[in-house]
Amino acid sequence: DTEVTQTPKHLVMGMTNKKSLKCEQHMGHRAMYWYKQKAKKPPELMFVYSYEKLSINESVPSRFSPECPNSSLLNLHLHALQPEDSALYLCASSYSKSRTTKNIQYFGAGTRLSVL
Amino acid sequence: SQQGEEDPQALSIQEGENATMNCSYKTSINNLQWYRQNSGRGLVHLILIRSNEREKHSGRLRVTLDTSKKSSSLLITASRAADTASYFCATDGTGGGNKLTFGTGTQLKVEL
Repeated sequence: DTEVTQTPKHLVMGMTNKKSLKCEQHMGHRAMYWYKQKAKKPPELMFVYSYEKLSINESVPSRFSPECPNSSLLNLHLHALQPEDSALYLCASSYSKSRTTKNIQYFGAGTRLSVL
Repeated sequence: SQQGEEDPQALSIQEGENATMNCSYKTSINNLQWYRQNSGRGLVHLILIRSNEREKHSGRLRVTLDTSKKSSSLLITASRAADTASYFCATDGTGGGNKLTFGTGTQLKVEL
């Protein structure tokens, strides 16, 4: 199983809503990532979890709150978002970086988020 | 910004032709990777080249790496309409952590 599964595929929310994006992998990867991607732009890293601990936070606004309940699951909780937060949100996973592993990332299909 | 630059930004070719895209980066790397993204979908890993390698092949893909110039190129030979996608290089830096730094991307269109 080399899949990263993201739900939902599409999400429309108002600026006062609270919603969550979910990501799941069963490849035994211990590093998981959230990226934000705008149209015709590269993915922008938001958060990295390594062994279920937050290891990188790229100065993301607090209206985005990540959670890693276990080694297979990654959530992104959304609250009081702005219209400019509309984007494709991608989850990825990889083996945690070491001398012997390469940081090849496996991506989910993404959640297309629209904030009204 | 530590983001790499890719050129061209967009490339349109006929089926059967070769496509070449280039990537420049700024920091020391362990390896450089290329990913493909079909419209509105996730990225798919294509090929990885280590910092001590100069060239690597995988099927119709050929990647070169010049660490002295901090640049890489991806060649797709005998392109097909199904190769239409965005292509991103990504560098795995020598610092700690699991961060990949993505280039700006090349949008490839292969026409029949």
